[in-house]
Amino acid sequence: QVQPVQSGAEVTRPGSSLKIFCKASGDSFSNYAIHWVRQAPGQGPEHMGQIIPSFGTVKYAPKFEGRVTITASYMELRSPRSEDTAVYYCARGVIRDMYSSLYFDHWDQGTLVTVAS
Amino acid sequence: EIVMTQSPATLSVSPGERATLSCRASQTVSSNLAWYQQKPGQAPRLLIYDASTRATGIPARFSGSGSGTDFTLTISSLQSEDFAVYYCQQYNNWPPYTFGQGTKLEIK
Repeated sequence: QVQPVQSGAEVTRPGSSLKIFCKASGDSFSNYAIHWVRQAPGQGPEHMGQIIPSFGTVKYAPKFEGRVTITASYMELRSPRSEDTAVYYCARGVIRDMYSSLYFDHWDQGTLVTVAS
Repeated sequence: EIVMTQSPATLSVSPGERATLSCRASQTVSSNLAWYQQKPGQAPRLLIYDASTRATGIPARFSGSGSGTDFTLTISSLQSEDFAVYYCQQYNNWPPYTFGQGTKLEIK
């Protein structure tokens, strides 16, 4: 059974760069999209972007365009600020076409990121 | 961006009773809607996709309905493990995929 796996918690300084790795365990991720979703304390999930490795396509939510880079292995958030404190999840998405996917059928346990000086 | 609005924010129901949760989209999402369950300290878990199809391993007491802009998640007979936060998500138009703010289902 495919399950993305992430590490537990990180602290990062404002203005630095944050990189979180998502590692698949078990079967290949090659036939799925990989999404990054974050959830601030007490808030609903917020989608950041996706990559479809089999097509090599990457798309970002407008809010994160220019500040986030997603690869098949990690997500990098540049110049984090206090409001970026959240749990960051990677999730597997069923592919619809080369640019989009459907629902997210497996989520990892997330990485708690605290942005503080 | 499509805005997803869930109601109520909190729902108090007794075990064994039925719970009905609502989700409304700011514009049509056809049947491209999913429901997730999230318990404290855990990641969301997929319950329903395509508005009404149960995900693998999800009990039959969970059902989804609706299309267009109005959707409902029904839990027919609440079990203790069902008390959690529930989110709807549209995947019709993106970027971005958008989630509702959640309904907290609590024990009455």
